[in-house]
Amino acid sequence: AQSVAQPEDQVNVAEGNPLTVKCTYSVSGNPYLFWYVQYPNRGLQFLLKYITGDNLVKGSYGFEAEFNKSQTSFHLKKPSALVSDSALYFCAVRDAWSSASKIIFGSGTRLSIRP
Amino acid sequence: EPEVTQTPSHQVTQMGQEVILRCVPISNHLYFYWYRQILGQKVEFLVSFYNNEISEKSEIFDDQFSVERPDGSNFTLKIRSTKLEDSAMYFCASSSRGAEQYFGPGTRLTVT
Repeated sequence: AQSVAQPEDQVNVAEGNPLTVKCTYSVSGNPYLFWYVQYPNRGLQFLLKYITGDNLVKGSYGFEAEFNKSQTSFHLKKPSALVSDSALYFCAVRDAWSSASKIIFGSGTRLSIRP
Repeated sequence: EPEVTQTPSHQVTQMGQEVILRCVPISNHLYFYWYRQILGQKVEFLVSFYNNEISEKSEIFDDQFSVERPDGSNFTLKIRSTKLEDSAMYFCASSSRGAEQYFGPGTRLTVT
């Protein structure tokens, strides 16, 4: 069965500092991996995905994520945090075999950027 | 930029009543989904829909739930007899043949 783990409920970073939000996954085959962000009273916004190819993928708002197959990790990163990055971040995984496959979400990590 | 829309944004209903949550997916998408998020918990998959039939459903999606695509644009989730534990934020999502799914803003369902 597929699963995603986000070990940190909350990450606190000062504005301008680099940030990392951790994610590890477990799948039986090749994974499709995603990061979504949820702002208060809003839906889930797609940030980036890994399907195949380069292990470093770039997404919206300056975010990037590094796929590490040996460590089964897909950590979200940003070189310089902004206060507006404060939100709830979800790592997610999907089976590659079917376009109709469900997405399995992690429990979420609340990112708080202090001025 | 096209987006998924959902109505209503907030629905309050009494236990035992039927509710219909509505979604308009992105127009050229082929795959449709419902998820829910109980307050403070993770987002959970309910059902996926493709080619006018259910592709996959979770154990949450029991006989009280149904989905329909009544016309070329709407995608609905019906709960026949709501229970207190159905209170949650319900998200509709759609996708093309690509990997990522695009989510609507959600409908907050409160069952009293």
